[in-house]
Amino acid sequence: QSALTQPVSVSGSPGQSITISCTGTSSDVGAYNYVSWYQQHPGKAPKLILYEVSSRPSGVPDRFSGSKSGNTASLTISGLQAEDEGDYYCMSFRGGSTPHWLFGAVTKLTVL
Amino acid sequence: EVHLVESGGGLVQPGGSLRLSCVASGFTFSSYKMHWVRQAPGKGLQWLSFISESGTATNYADSVRGRFTTSRDNAKNALYLQLNSLRAEDTAVYHCAREDTVPGDFEFWGLGTLVTVSS
Repeated sequence: QSALTQPVSVSGSPGQSITISCTGTSSDVGAYNYVSWYQQHPGKAPKLILYEVSSRPSGVPDRFSGSKSGNTASLTISGLQAEDEGDYYCMSFRGGSTPHWLFGAVTKLTVL
Repeated sequence: EVHLVESGGGLVQPGGSLRLSCVASGFTFSSYKMHWVRQAPGKGLQWLSFISESGTATNYADSVRGRFTTSRDNAKNALYLQLNSLRAEDTAVYHCAREDTVPGDFEFWGLGTLVTVSS
C-alpha cells in the first residue's frame, strides 16, 4: 500500500500562493472524489482543511482550495500567512478487494 | 464539544502486546465510523484501521492486518486497538479519528498515545 506522492517541500513568501500536488493512481485519487488534506503543526494532531477534493470544514478560511485532475489532486493556499507554515498531507480512499485509506508522504511548507 | 482521548501506550518488548483505548465525548459515538492512524517519530501519517458504527465491519492496512484488531464498545463510548506481535517499526504515536458524514472527512482527532517497541 504505497503512499501518495507529494513534494517534499514547498515555500513561499507572505501574500503569495503555493500549490501542493498529490499524485496517486486510477485506483485511488483518479477513481474517487474522496481526497482530503490535513495540516499538522509540531506536537499537534492533524487538522482537516479540505475534504471531498475541495470542500472546506467550518472555520477553514477560503484561502485554502482544492482541485483534482486525473490521478493528481492539488491544494492551493493563497494569500500565504506565517501560520500556514507546517506539514501537509493528502489522503485518498483506495477501493478494491481490501478498501483502505492512503496518506501522502508529507510536504513541509515554509513561509519565508 | 467533541473530544477524543487515547490511552494505553507505553514501552513494550518486541513480540509483545498492548491494548489502546480511545474514549469519546461530546457526540453520539455510536453514529460514527472511527479510524486509527499512526505517526512514527519524525515520519508521516499512516492509516491503520477502520470500524463501522456498529462494529460489524472492520478493515486494516496490509502492514498490520492479522496483528492488530480494532473494536468498539458503544455503551462505553470507547474505541480499542489491540496490538499483537509488536515490532520496532510499530513505534509511533497512535491517534483515533472520527469519520464524519463524508468518507475521508476526519475532522476530529485525538492527541494520540505513544507506543514504543524496544528491548
